[in-house]
Amino acid sequence: QSALTQPASVSGSPGQSITISCTGSSSDVGTYNLVSWYQQHPGRAPKVMIYEVSKRPSGVSNRFSGSKSGNTASLTISGLQAEDEADYYCCSYGGRSSLHWVFGGGTKVTVL
Amino acid sequence: EVQLMESGGGLIQPGGSLRLSCTASGFTVSRDYMTWVRQPPGMGLEWVSVIYGGGDTHYADSVKGRCTISRDNSRNTVYLQMNSLRAEDTAMYYCARADSSGGRIDPWGQGTLVTVSS
Repeated sequence: QSALTQPASVSGSPGQSITISCTGSSSDVGTYNLVSWYQQHPGRAPKVMIYEVSKRPSGVSNRFSGSKSGNTASLTISGLQAEDEADYYCCSYGGRSSLHWVFGGGTKVTVL
Repeated sequence: EVQLMESGGGLIQPGGSLRLSCTASGFTVSRDYMTWVRQPPGMGLEWVSVIYGGGDTHYADSVKGRCTISRDNSRNTVYLQMNSLRAEDTAMYYCARADSSGGRIDPWGQGTLVTVSS
């Protein structure tokens, strides 16, 4: 099972909206609504921003939203802020009979 | 507060062994899915292993046969025994809890660095 495919980098100006795509296959993203997104600042542990495609944990800004269409999931950050500059990883869980969790290669978000 | 704390990383020669520990507070490891995820320097995240609440264990192909995940319920601690270490095992190793659906990995520990080098 290959890693999920994400763009290497995405950039935007403060206040703008950006979207990060995450493309998998019918074996993971396309079948299970168990896609999650993680934010990682340099030298820090990942932090969950979105889970089960579009659910937002308590404490995460509503500027972060998730969606899915077919084999591709997306993370949208609206009202981009300097603090959003980080690496973002998507992840899909395929269940115990599969290869369990598979991550995307990561997307570096730059706030211009 | 729900927290995870890893330990046990360090510099090890190729072919050597290490045991990583992950101690939980604020929840019981035996009731949740406990995972290890690693991140080589400057690279992305890679799932390594999981121990489910019922005790069954699974491994990524890259470590299968060389790693063993286990837990000590009395210590509320999860372990990752790593043998026959290779240079490509060099990474920050994170312990993390996954929810019962598997769709949410949270919290994560701060990570412990394993460096395999002669």
